[in-house]
This record gives sequence, C-alpha cells and structure tokens, in this order.
Amino acid sequence: GESVGLHLPTLSVQEGDNSIINCAYSNSASDYFIWYKQESGKGPQFIIDIRSNMDKRQGQRVTVLLNKTVKHLSLQIAATQPGDSAVYFCAEGSNDYKLSFGAGTTVTVRA
Amino acid sequence: KAGVTQTPRYLIKTRGQQVTLSCSPISGHRSVSWYQQTPGQGLQFLFEYFSETQRNKGNFPGRFSGRQFSNSRSEMNVSTLELGDSALYLCASSLETGITEAFFGQGTRLTVV
Repeated sequence: GESVGLHLPTLSVQEGDNSIINCAYSNSASDYFIWYKQESGKGPQFIIDIRSNMDKRQGQRVTVLLNKTVKHLSLQIAATQPGDSAVYFCAEGSNDYKLSFGAGTTVTVRA
Repeated sequence: KAGVTQTPRYLIKTRGQQVTLSCSPISGHRSVSWYQQTPGQGLQFLFEYFSETQRNKGNFPGRFSGRQFSNSRSEMNVSTLELGDSALYLCASSLETGITEAFFGQGTRLTVV
C-alpha cells in the first residue's frame, strides 16, 4: 500500500548545527514530494518540493534529497535556528489530487 | 494577499450533532482540499474539490461530506458526530493540482463531547 513515514519521531539539534530529517516512502509511482513545517497552533507551511525526476533541490537554507532506489527522502536544514523548532512532515503526491503525509518529526533546537 | 481562511477556529459539539466548517481559499485558487489531523492518525486526506467537482475522496465514512461553491469557497459537513471526530480540520488551496504548493489554513479545532 501507499505510506509515507519518517524515520525518527523527534530530533534535538544544537543551534547553528545542520539538521537532517529523513523520510521513507513506499509508493514508487509518486510524482512529487513535499516537505511541510507545522508550528504549534498553525497549519502546515510549505518548505520545498521535489519532482520524482530530480535527485536534489535547494532552497533558502534547505536542501531536499531524493533517492528513488531506496525510496528515501531527506530534508537538510543548514545552520538551524530556534525558529526552526516545529514538526516537519514529508508528503507525497501524484495525479490523484491528494497528498499522503508521513507521521512527522518534531525538531527541537537547543540554544 | 490574504491566505486560506477557515472558520470557525474552534468548535465544541455534542455527540450526535452535526457541524459545518468553512474554508475560503486564496484568491484565484480553484482547488480546495480537506484534511483531518489527529495525534494518532496524523494528517489524513478527506476530499478535494476543483471547479465545484469532487475529484477524490479519502477513506472516511459517509458522515463526512463536502462541497465547493462557484467562488471556490468550500464547506465540509460532519453529521452524527462521534467522539473520535475530535480533530484539527485543515483546508488547503492551490492554483491547480498537482498540489505541489498547497497553502494550508490554520484549521478548525473541533472537539466532540
């Protein structure tokens, strides 16, 4: 079946260090993958997406890597800041007009 | 540019009642999706509408329904509420699907007592 999951439910990171959040997916037919950030009391906020025909995409302080061979997705956050503390979700989508979300990783940034 | 607006923000209902939640998408966005978020099940897809047509529906009982109006605003309805329906209901809008950049509202927190 289709499922999107994250390897670790929590991640504690020292401020200024780089963060890596991992996600495993099972639907090899997915067309794209998205990372969302959700802060307490808010809806998910789009961070970055990547198409299935790409291996890497960079944004501002973030990089998403896609390894289709092992069905693995990761989000790298450079120089993690206190404002990066949130729950991060990976999601996958195709041409069926819906997103399937993973369980989420709670990132806590230590000062 | 205003974001996705969901009303109300908080709602308390009694078992057996029904509830209607509203979502106003970003101006110009024609696709509206609804998701249920709970601590145990995470974010689960409810349905998606585009130009007043439902194009996909998640695995939820028939008590969950929705619709979209000609101005792209959407409503979802839950009838005969159960305790397990307590959740954060999120609406997302996008220009098209694809949904590569769906913008979410802040959600409606529904508590069923």
